[in-house]
Amino acid sequence: DGGITQSPKYLFRKEGQNVTLSCEQNLNHDAMYWYRQDPGQGLRLIYYSQIVNDFQKGDIAEGYSVSREKKESFPLTVTSAQKNPTAFYLCASSNRDFSYNEQFFGPGTRLTVL
Amino acid sequence: DAKTTQPPSMDCAEGRAANLPCNHSTISGNEYVYWYRQIHSQGPQYIIHGLKNNETNEMASLIITEDRKSSTLILPHATLRDTAVYYCIVRVQETSGSRLTFGEGTQLTVNP
Repeated sequence: DGGITQSPKYLFRKEGQNVTLSCEQNLNHDAMYWYRQDPGQGLRLIYYSQIVNDFQKGDIAEGYSVSREKKESFPLTVTSAQKNPTAFYLCASSNRDFSYNEQFFGPGTRLTVL
Repeated sequence: DAKTTQPPSMDCAEGRAANLPCNHSTISGNEYVYWYRQIHSQGPQYIIHGLKNNETNEMASLIITEDRKSSTLILPHATLRDTAVYYCIVRVQETSGSRLTFGEGTQLTVNP
């Protein structure tokens, strides 16, 4: 099945630790995205990548880092500099075949920092 | 991007049509209207989009007013599984990557 996988579904970390969230897609999509969602809120864009080895900051990039070494993978690192990292993190991808505005989302990772 | 306004919540009886409104009075001529939905604790799912003509697919219908300042997403026969937050987004067609802005959307609750 084609799709986007995020792992793990739930993640717990101690304050001050960096943590990396995984996102893999087998849709052959060029563009990939990371969003953050807080309870009762909409999604906010953290980073996005339009092509391998290139990425741009979204609206709330501070305290996060990404890499895009392979087309299929776009891992997100939540660093200790992120002041309030507990949230629901969503990865998405899109391609010109449908429209870059038709983004396919993964199931999300719920990160809790204790 | 044009700003959108949606009611925070709506209710619908199972089997009836659900009509979700969206205002986008500052929409530009080259901006499309997109609809997504997010079932609790899952990733959002694309539903439908349109420019100025009404659109229909297997999930829903999209009605855009002639002046394009508002639109309505119609779920013709709502089921309990349609309970979700529905997001209306206005965006130009992108040639590479897209910065979608998801607001708070409309929480649709379908009641038995």
